[in-house]
Amino acid sequence: GDSVTQMEGPVTLSEEAFLTINCTYTATGYPSLFWYVQYPGEGLQLLLKATKADDKGSNKGFEATYRKETTSFHLEKGSVQVSDSAVYFCALNRETSGSRLTFGEGTQLTVNP
Amino acid sequence: NAGVTQTPKFQVLKTGQSMTLQCAQDMNHNSMYWYRQDPGMGLRLIYYSASEGTTDKGEVPNGYNVSRLNKREFSLRLESAAPSQTSVYFCASSEPAGRNQPQHFGDGTRLSIL
Repeated sequence: GDSVTQMEGPVTLSEEAFLTINCTYTATGYPSLFWYVQYPGEGLQLLLKATKADDKGSNKGFEATYRKETTSFHLEKGSVQVSDSAVYFCALNRETSGSRLTFGEGTQLTVNP
Repeated sequence: NAGVTQTPKFQVLKTGQSMTLQCAQDMNHNSMYWYRQDPGMGLRLIYYSASEGTTDKGEVPNGYNVSRLNKREFSLRLESAAPSQTSVYFCASSEPAGRNQPQHFGDGTRLSIL
């Protein structure tokens, strides 16, 4: 079945550091890939998405590139801020699953001033 | 613009009690979902409703029932709560047209079962 694996957390960085959160997936066909973010006490919000190989999704300084050859969708940001502290979820949607999502386990990011 | 509204936000139950978690969306979405979130396990789909009048099991449906009351509302019922059902529950909605439509989430219900 489909699965999403994220790097083990939690991740703690200093402000202005470079961020990478790894995400790899297993799925048949050509899934769409998503990053969601969950701020403390809130529900998940879509951060960015990519729908086909080599697509780059971007939003709020975050980027991720759909790499079919390595089945990966790593999240990156060049300079993190304290306000980026949150839990980040990688997810996929397979073309035969309608709009259902399969989520990774989430990565807790803490950014210290 | 409320989006997806869940009630209650917090609840404590005793083992064996029943309760219903309520969810309503005001975005005229056709599809709605219930997830549970547990530490280190991400979100797991309990049930979903692709459209009004239909419901289907997700990954972890045992111990739960759902009702798609109308297009706006999708409730989750625990008939006999168990400690293993202690979790944070999220409701979400989306348009099904095209699999790339984002899901919109409520703020969650934090449920503890003693």
